[in-house]
Amino acid sequence: GAGVSQSPSNKVTEKGKDVELRCDPISGHTALYWYRQSLGQGLEFLIYFQGNSAPDKSGLPSDRFSAERTGGSVSTLTIQRTQQEDSAVYLCASSLTDGRGNYGYTFGSGTRLTVV
Amino acid sequence: AQSVTQLGSHVSVSEGALVLLRCNYSSSVPPYLFWYVQYPNQGLQLLLKYTTGATLVKGINGFEAEFKKSETSFHLTKPSAHMSDAAEYFCAVTGSGGYNKLIFGAGTRLAVHP
Repeated sequence: GAGVSQSPSNKVTEKGKDVELRCDPISGHTALYWYRQSLGQGLEFLIYFQGNSAPDKSGLPSDRFSAERTGGSVSTLTIQRTQQEDSAVYLCASSLTDGRGNYGYTFGSGTRLTVV
Repeated sequence: AQSVTQLGSHVSVSEGALVLLRCNYSSSVPPYLFWYVQYPNQGLQLLLKYTTGATLVKGINGFEAEFKKSETSFHLTKPSAHMSDAAEYFCAVTGSGGYNKLIFGAGTRLAVHP
């Protein structure tokens, strides 16, 4: 598609439930990122996928968070046993990246997650 | 490793005044630097970026930024603020060579008063 697509745009869930957030990157973009933006906060790096390399998971805040990227394209961020502090906007971005450089990041509109 | 510091979480200017949003970075490799803008309830939009070449970079909506290696800075400026510039601005850095994650500063919220 023309841009990065995220779904759902809004998600309200009960504490303790699992949620899945989806990201469709721009076709051909080799790198995919997940960030979290809490109310009044900056962007917190969560996880980074680059081609077929092992993902950089260094930003995941706990083992309740996991992500996968299937076929080098669509990515799913899963949060298990959600807590109220997980409430935030989850942003996905993709980029065309190779060993010589990064040719620009494009962000999706985000998924606003509310845990009640 | 890379990091970004944005000085001033809130900046307020009058319409028509100079806008200056400060960004300092640290990077263990030559950096690529970015400014993004986020309008209320919207996603992030790229304003401008520095990768290589000219150190003064011009972006959309009249914004520009200058990469100063000696000062490890990439401050964002606009000569004359407009009401529509009110938004949150994020500076970000990644290492050159491609295989590096993008790290953001905490953001600066710009308010423009009539």
